[in-house]
Amino acid sequence: KAGVTQTPRYLIKTRGQQVTLSCSPISGHRSVSWYQQTPGQGLQFLFEYFSETQRNKGNFPGRFSGRQFSNSRSEMNVSTLELGDSALYLCASSLAAPQETQYFGPGTRLLVL
Amino acid sequence: KNEVEQSPQNLTAQEGEFITINCSYSVGISALHWLQQHPGGGIVSLFMLSSGKKKHGRLIATINIQEKHSSLHITASHPRDSAVYICAVNNFGNEKLTFGTGTRLTIIP
Repeated sequence: KAGVTQTPRYLIKTRGQQVTLSCSPISGHRSVSWYQQTPGQGLQFLFEYFSETQRNKGNFPGRFSGRQFSNSRSEMNVSTLELGDSALYLCASSLAAPQETQYFGPGTRLLVL
Repeated sequence: KNEVEQSPQNLTAQEGEFITINCSYSVGISALHWLQQHPGGGIVSLFMLSSGKKKHGRLIATINIQEKHSSLHITASHPRDSAVYICAVNNFGNEKLTFGTGTRLTIIP
């Protein structure tokens, strides 16, 4: 089975731009979670989707949004980028719930200049 | 105070030593995860547990729900075990994952 894939792997943007990141879960997995990792804050939960519905959201501003498609693929969007959004963005999938074993993708490294 | 605390933050040991990494949490949980992150960012799930003990190869994870504490043990450590080990918990009720700050382990040959 193919693992979790994320595209793009690296991205450079400037302040004020917006960005869309994509995550394809393991086949058959319906829960997709997104995380942000920075040197200062560590790993933080962004949101979790199941069956095209956002089930949970972390403490991030409304500039961070996401969605899930009927094939379980997920995208996250960050609008009006700020320097502090520079981070590694990871997605993880599980069969149905985040309290199951999480399978992580390689991440998208975003640099905001 | 963070909801999930790990100790030590950094650990350097000789090859072959027995390693213990600790995780304490302050919230009610439905599950606890031990994750491994190598340089470059990739994260691998080592264990997911809600009670007792699990073993996989040289790795052992235990959890004490009453004491809100978990440990990750590595027997016969090897340089390839060098990585950051992260403890994470699913908050009971909303299931959001909350992460510890990680333990950076370096095994010297």
